[in-house]
Amino acid sequence: NAGVTQTPKFRILKIGQSMTLQCTQDMNHNYMYWYRQDPGMGLKLIYYSVGAGITDKGEVPNGYNVSRSTTEDFPLRLELAAPSQTSVYFCASSYATQLPEAFFGQGTRLTVV
Amino acid sequence: QKEVEQDPGPLSVPEGAIVSLNCTYSNSAFQYFMWYRQYSRKGPELLMYTYSSGNKEDGRFTAQVDKSSKYISLFIRDSQPSDSATYLCAMTGGYGNNRLAFGKGNQVVVIP
Repeated sequence: NAGVTQTPKFRILKIGQSMTLQCTQDMNHNYMYWYRQDPGMGLKLIYYSVGAGITDKGEVPNGYNVSRSTTEDFPLRLELAAPSQTSVYFCASSYATQLPEAFFGQGTRLTVV
Repeated sequence: QKEVEQDPGPLSVPEGAIVSLNCTYSNSAFQYFMWYRQYSRKGPELLMYTYSSGNKEDGRFTAQVDKSSKYISLFIRDSQPSDSATYLCAMTGGYGNNRLAFGKGNQVVVIP
């Protein structure tokens, strides 16, 4: 049982480049989330989705885009990378109708130089 | 006022000591109160949760929720070096309102 899988694990981007962080889950969860974690700042919600075809902004959506074409996949797109987007990104998923425990991936460590 | 406040200061304790962590919150709609544990360079994992007010014990871990004061706590008894991790509180309104609000996390180091 793979749970939530994120790729890549590490990436270095140059300012202005774009990339997509991949996230897939095999638990048939309705809800999926993208968080970023900066040192001493906890987890900040970027975007979330309550089901295929439905996405919504979280606390810090600027500079990011998402799509949810299937239940399993929830990619996060960074357009025009900036140094402020240097962070660790976590994808998570949860059931809609059970205990709202979020299952997290292992994270993507992104550096923008 | 932020939804969830957790003083992010690091905590170093000797092995066997009691670790006490806490969070305060402002949203009265929160019903589920959780503690996540995050080891270095890993994703957070749910440690334990409490529904509404009260205490919950799981081995060496005790979670307490006081909804009247909007205050939650996590206690770790007989702390072990393997408990060294970052502990994040999280809360949510529950079914149909699954968005989790996280605290900033406390880094705990248990010194052998």
